[in-house]
Amino acid sequence: IVMTQSPDSLAVSLGERATINCKSSQSVLYSSNNKNYLAWYQQKPGQPHKLLLYWASTRESGVPDRFSGSGSGTDFTLTISSLQAEDVAVYYCQQYYSGYTFGQGTKLEIK
Amino acid sequence: QVQLVESGGGVVQPGGSLRLSCAASGFTFSIYGMHWIRQAPGKGLEWVAFILFDGSNGYFADSVKGRFTISRDNAKNTLYLQMNSLRVEDTAVYYCTKRNSAYNSDGDAFDIWGQGTMVTVSS
Repeated sequence: IVMTQSPDSLAVSLGERATINCKSSQSVLYSSNNKNYLAWYQQKPGQPHKLLLYWASTRESGVPDRFSGSGSGTDFTLTISSLQAEDVAVYYCQQYYSGYTFGQGTKLEIK
Repeated sequence: QVQLVESGGGVVQPGGSLRLSCAASGFTFSIYGMHWIRQAPGKGLEWVAFILFDGSNGYFADSVKGRFTISRDNAKNTLYLQMNSLRVEDTAVYYCTKRNSAYNSDGDAFDIWGQGTMVTVSS
């Protein structure tokens, strides 16, 4: 399954909304349990990758509620409702429906 | 605290071997499956291998199948990746990661990542 993120890079003003899209080449929705096998990660320079969301919209413990995930099937979105300076990072989506594949990453910067 | 620390990376010639280790702490290592992920310079993240919580089975990406083996020592809280017949295209930062569901429960998001160890395959 090929994961494609858009845009490749994004500049947003502090306090504004940031939106990152992720599209899978086939559905990652498992019909028997109605779960989307999709996760989002954040990578800051010099720090380990951080899991933000899994099952497409379940926030990992400790992740601020300004981070949210939506979508189903093949189209997903990561939204940061009010951008903070510490959110500057590269963001990745990943599917775990069939094997494990990642999007190419989206670099988020401050405008 | 919860952490994974990789070691064992380095420079090796094509055809050579290297063994990576990943020391886990801060969680019950023996109940979680573990993965290796890699990222080549300027490239995206690529899943490499997975081992079940009890070490009974390992799974590999096609790109490394037959050359890499994965193992674990639950008494030592350590994960390993034995890499043989290394190729230039294996050059990457290698990360160990923990799956976020215990035992064989459904779901394979990666909730803990190490900082990574660099492997360079070059003549």
